[in-house]
Amino acid sequence: QLQLQESGPGLVKPSETLSLNCTVSGGSISGSSFYWGWIRQPPGKGLEWIGSVSHSGSTYHNPSLKSRVTISVDTSKNQFSLRLNSVTAADTAVYYCARHVITGIAGGNWFDPWGQGTLVTVSS
Amino acid sequence: QSVLTQPPSVSEAPRQRVTISCSGSSSNIGNNVVSWYQQLPGKAPKLLLYSNDLLPSGVSDRFSGSKSGTSASLAISGLQSEDEADYYCAAWDDSLSGVVFGGGTKLTVL
Repeated sequence: QLQLQESGPGLVKPSETLSLNCTVSGGSISGSSFYWGWIRQPPGKGLEWIGSVSHSGSTYHNPSLKSRVTISVDTSKNQFSLRLNSVTAADTAVYYCARHVITGIAGGNWFDPWGQGTLVTVSS
Repeated sequence: QSVLTQPPSVSEAPRQRVTISCSGSSSNIGNNVVSWYQQLPGKAPKLLLYSNDLLPSGVSDRFSGSKSGTSASLAISGLQSEDEADYYCAAWDDSLSGVVFGGGTKLTVL
């Protein structure tokens, strides 16, 4: 059974860089046809897609965050990562990682399964 | 402000049927399929439906989905107290070249 687990600092100072890892177990990132995505949810608010990466490093990004986001993959560790720079209080959120199925047909895509999420607070 | 529009809340009595709407545009729902997610209180979202109306393995057939034009709907029949959750729709947006979510709908089972 595929499982994903986010890890990283729970507190980041304003203007610094938020860095998170997602470790995949029960399956391999390498050679799979899936993408691997990051989604966030500010406290009490809705979901926002951040971006997704393939095992070969191809990426899709949310245009509103693209200039600050780097998503990468490390197949040797079966992990993928998120870096968000120049953070502000508005970046405070629960960050989820998930397998992102992209079919290429009629925009077919969905996230399944999801990690449990990790709260990142931006504060001095 | 979300690209996809959902009602903030809906409520219905147990054993009844409720629908949640998701309205978009030609660049997302009008041209692409929709997925739905259920988020129980304090939990991570879970895939509920994909490609408009397909149920992942293990999801109850009390959940169903449909799409018409630039709108989609999630229907839940035989409502149970454990269905109380936030529900989100999502779709690919061709203009943004990315995924857009609805703002979410909180379902209350009276």
